[in-house]
Amino acid sequence: QKEVEQDPGPLSVPEGAIVSLNCTYSNSAFQYFMWYRQYSRKGPELLMYTYSSGNKEDGRFTAQVDKSSKYISLFIRDSQPSDSATYLCAMSALYKNAGNMLTFGGGTRLMVKP
Amino acid sequence: DGGITQSPKYLFRKEGQNVTLSCEQNLNHDAMYWYRQDPGQGLRLIYYSQIVNDFQKGDIAEGYSVSREKKESFPLTVTSAQKNPTAFYLCASTPSGRVNTEAFFGQGTRLTVV
Repeated sequence: QKEVEQDPGPLSVPEGAIVSLNCTYSNSAFQYFMWYRQYSRKGPELLMYTYSSGNKEDGRFTAQVDKSSKYISLFIRDSQPSDSATYLCAMSALYKNAGNMLTFGGGTRLMVKP
Repeated sequence: DGGITQSPKYLFRKEGQNVTLSCEQNLNHDAMYWYRQDPGQGLRLIYYSQIVNDFQKGDIAEGYSVSREKKESFPLTVTSAQKNPTAFYLCASTPSGRVNTEAFFGQGTRLTVV
């Protein structure tokens, strides 16, 4: 079983829809939770960064973390064709004498159709 | 503009050859990382370096080597011992190797064995 599980999709939605992307994880030591967006043939870029449980909102994007269920979500409101990309969840824990090790999900490919 | 530069964008390797992927950053970050991305598998950590002249193996280091002689540079060599090197390689950096913070990625190098 992978440490971080993410539905690979593809997820196809019409423009304007609300999109829900999710990841589950098994390591209860994870404290930092991130969502990256990756366009085709490009490097990932950070969208949202959350510490511990709770919600965080940034424009059309909302990140939720439920540590009790080991479940994180990214919601995209009023989705646009420009949101079409692969979304990667990532998480990490601060281990003594260890570096900033990010563990990534496999990514969900999102397609927003005009 | 600050960022991470990877070169070349595309690289072709013949069987039995060693090739070196370049990664340079001007963000003054202490920590640098190399990831490999295969379809549907997310990002897997190859090597990381928290400070100059020090580096550690990641999850899939076999067949790869790195050096960190300068803070700005973290080249990755794919050796002939790597049996399946065709993949998308991503270099990343974080301000510190001991604190979990945002990772900045380069635009990647696509390596193909011919």
